[in-house]
Amino acid sequence: GENVEQHPSTLSVQEGDSAVIKCTYSDSASNYFPWYKQELGKGPQLIIDIRSNVGEKKDQRIAVTLNKTAKHFSLHITETQPEDSAVYFCAARAVGGGADGLTFGKGTHLIIQP
Amino acid sequence: ETGVTQTPRHLVMGMTNKKSLKCEQHLGHNAMYWYKQSAKKPLELMFVYSLEERVENNSVPSRFSPECPNSSHLFLHLHTLQPEDSALYLCASSQDSEREAFFGQGTRLTVV
Repeated sequence: GENVEQHPSTLSVQEGDSAVIKCTYSDSASNYFPWYKQELGKGPQLIIDIRSNVGEKKDQRIAVTLNKTAKHFSLHITETQPEDSAVYFCAARAVGGGADGLTFGKGTHLIIQP
Repeated sequence: ETGVTQTPRHLVMGMTNKKSLKCEQHLGHNAMYWYKQSAKKPLELMFVYSLEERVENNSVPSRFSPECPNSSHLFLHLHTLQPEDSALYLCASSQDSEREAFFGQGTRLTVV
């Protein structure tokens, strides 16, 4: 089955700086890679996703890059703000014969220092 | 609000109790999922329902029993749980298995 590794487990950056979170996956059949943000006491919220037919996707201060050859993808947050503090999860999903759920990384606790 | 509602938000139960978690989605999706989130572990997929049929059961103990009476509702029936089953249980839904999944707020379960 799919295995997703996520690094780092904790990331502390100064407000205004950029943050990068990296994930690797094992199943070359995976073709969908979402990123979720989870704030304390809440469920994960989808913030951006990418499919295997593109290499990069941006949404304002957030971008995701995908390297299919190396089987890794990254989340980039620029001009970080205090409200970006949360736990971020990457995930991967392969197309199967039926309904497939997502395989998640262990999460990165992002701390934005004022 | 993601359109996926879970109740209750918090639940404390004894090991001999029987309780149920409820999930309701108002997004018109046709696939629903149960995940377990424990401290310092990745989210674990428990069950997948597509068009109200269970299509995946990831070696989950029989003390967890899912039910999907229609495409908008999903239940997780719990009985004779163990303390290690304490976790945040998350429901999610998607339109088909290949579209983005939206999560509910979760039910924080504590087994005493």
